Amino acid sequence: GNSVTQMEGPVTLSEEAFLTINCTYTATGYPSLFWYVQYPGEGLQLLLKATKADDKGSNKGFEATYRKETTSFHLEKGSVQVSDSAVYFCALTYSGNTPLVFGKGTRLSVIA
Amino acid sequence: GAGVSQTPSNKVTEKGKYVELRCDPISGHTALYWYRQSLGQGPEFLIYFQGTGAADDSGLPNDRFFAVRPEGSVSTLKIQRTERGDSAVYLCASSLNPGANEQFFGPGTRLTVL
Repeated sequence: GNSVTQMEGPVTLSEEAFLTINCTYTATGYPSLFWYVQYPGEGLQLLLKATKADDKGSNKGFEATYRKETTSFHLEKGSVQVSDSAVYFCALTYSGNTPLVFGKGTRLSVIA
Repeated sequence: GAGVSQTPSNKVTEKGKYVELRCDPISGHTALYWYRQSLGQGPEFLIYFQGTGAADDSGLPNDRFFAVRPEGSVSTLKIQRTERGDSAVYLCASSLNPGANEQFFGPGTRLTVL
């Protein structure tokens, strides 16, 4: 079946450090890929997405590129801020309103 | 524009009791999803509605769990004879049809079974 594997957290970084959170997937065909973020005390929010191979999703300084050859969708940010502290979830789905399949999440803590 | 809302935000119940969790999707969204998120895990799919009908209920863990969406808008997730293992955050999401694959999530209901 379809699955998503994320690097285990927690990840602790100093402000302005470079961030990478690895995500790989197992799926048939061509899923759409997502990163969702869950800030403390808040619900899941879509951070960025990519719907086909080589697409790059970006938002709020975060980027991720859909790499079909390595079945990966790693999340990166060049300079993290304290306000980026949250739990990040990688997920996949297919078109047609199918359910999302999530990874276990990676907790990021950014310290000043 | 209101987002997805869920009530109650917190529910504490005793083992063996019946609970209902409510979800109000974004107006006009025809697809509605229920997920369950256990501590330290990602959300796991329970059931998906397209309109009034359950298009996929393969994620429901057993027959104690049931969900309805009688008018194609509000949905209720019902859990009978609750067990301590049912304790989790129950998330609802909606998306616009057709073909849209972005889901918008509610804040969740934290269920605690004592």
